[in-house]
Amino acid sequence: QSALTQPASVSGSPGQSITISCTGTSSDVGGYNYVSWYQQCPGKAPKLIIFDVNNRPSGVSNRFSGSKSGNTASLTISGLHTEDEADYFCASYRSSSTVAFGGGTKLTVL
Amino acid sequence: QITLKESGPTLVKPTQTLTLTCTFSGFSFSSSGEGVGWIRQPPGKALEWLALIYWDDNKGYSPFLKNRLSITKDTSKNQVVLTMTNMDPVDTATYYCAKTWTARTGWGNWFHPWGQGTLVTVSS
Repeated sequence: QSALTQPASVSGSPGQSITISCTGTSSDVGGYNYVSWYQQCPGKAPKLIIFDVNNRPSGVSNRFSGSKSGNTASLTISGLHTEDEADYFCASYRSSSTVAFGGGTKLTVL
Repeated sequence: QITLKESGPTLVKPTQTLTLTCTFSGFSFSSSGEGVGWIRQPPGKALEWLALIYWDDNKGYSPFLKNRLSITKDTSKNQVVLTMTNMDPVDTATYYCAKTWTARTGWGNWFHPWGQGTLVTVSS
């Protein structure tokens, strides 16, 4: 399966900012403003934190922000909290009415 | 409040067909824009999108699994059913259903909220 490419892991200290990248192609990330991000805590279902590249659902902290440049989308978490430690997945609309997910990134808050 | 819940067998044998049901509340396929998707996650691995069905019965399937999948909806029962044929041990995963919304059919791409997921093990 051709997933979007994410780093396997990132880490940061409380209060710092981190960025997670999500690289695709012109057929998905680069071709549409339809990138979403999910936070998955251990043993839990994923939770939507960003949709349409840079929009936050109601109730999601403004410490989470999204952006996109070319075929790469990014999730930035500012002012890291220990409870931000989780797995993060990106997803994108892909041509022909399909969806692709990224391989996931494990965030460790040191 | 929108909720979704997956149900189905926890254990299937290789070559068997898996049938999962997603029962939801808080929205209806009678409303334009609504959609429900299925996503799975093998233990310790990444999420994988499987299929989507929209209010107008438009459907989308993973190109990698298209030949094995079927998604249908029952608007009166607020249910979506996913069928996957010829199950294999590599299909062992937690299967989630989740809601989407889109102004244009076929363009669903984000999922919120998600069901709790159901673990399906494929083993003889």
